[in-house]
Amino acid sequence: QSALTQPASVSGSPGQSITISCTGTSSDVGSYNLVSWYQQHPGKAPKLMIYEGSKRPSGVSNRFSGSKSGNTASLTISGLQAEDEADYYCCSYAGSHVVFGGGTKLTVL
Amino acid sequence: QLQLQESGPGLVKPSETLSLTCTVSGGSISSSSYYWGWIRQPPGKGLEWIGSIYYSGSTYYNPSLKSRVTISVDTSKNQFSLKLSSVTAADTAVYYCARYIVRRGRWFDPWGQGTLVTVSS
Repeated sequence: QSALTQPASVSGSPGQSITISCTGTSSDVGSYNLVSWYQQHPGKAPKLMIYEGSKRPSGVSNRFSGSKSGNTASLTISGLQAEDEADYYCCSYAGSHVVFGGGTKLTVL
Repeated sequence: QLQLQESGPGLVKPSETLSLTCTVSGGSISSSSYYWGWIRQPPGKGLEWIGSIYYSGSTYYNPSLKSRVTISVDTSKNQFSLKLSSVTAADTAVYYCARYIVRRGRWFDPWGQGTLVTVSS
């Protein structure tokens, strides 16, 4: 079981859009539309931002969106705001277990 | 509003067993729609799923930790617990408990605040 692959860091200016990729395999991301995304600010617990690949929980801004193509899921944040600066993790169901991505640090310039 | 709270020793000696409990409040642990999970995060590193349990006691574990992990549930106390044996410094991490929704999809929400466990003599 290997971690999903995410870029270590991405950055963008306020108002811009960024996309974070999450690459897995045909055994996890590619086989199920069950990717979730979590935002984590320093010293805080992760917070659910996207589930089932593209659905937003109540209370999460519609600036956050998710998609999937093949073995790669993506999280897009539009209209970047300073408060979006955080670590982001993808997570996928993989049959009998669960696998997380290595995390991506988003810097808002 | 469902809340989860981790509790247990913050310091464990090498080769001993790490034991943590997660107390669920604001809802029942005995729901058919959920599993309950443990996730950890070493300092400065990413998240690692440890394992999950159903209220009936059915479990599934991270293959890389399976030989050392036991997760159990106590429905009378609305709690579930983690035991990790033969710990080393590599097991030093913030340990989170979370509800794992399984009714339609698969996601963790909400999470506990986390508890730091340090393995050191």
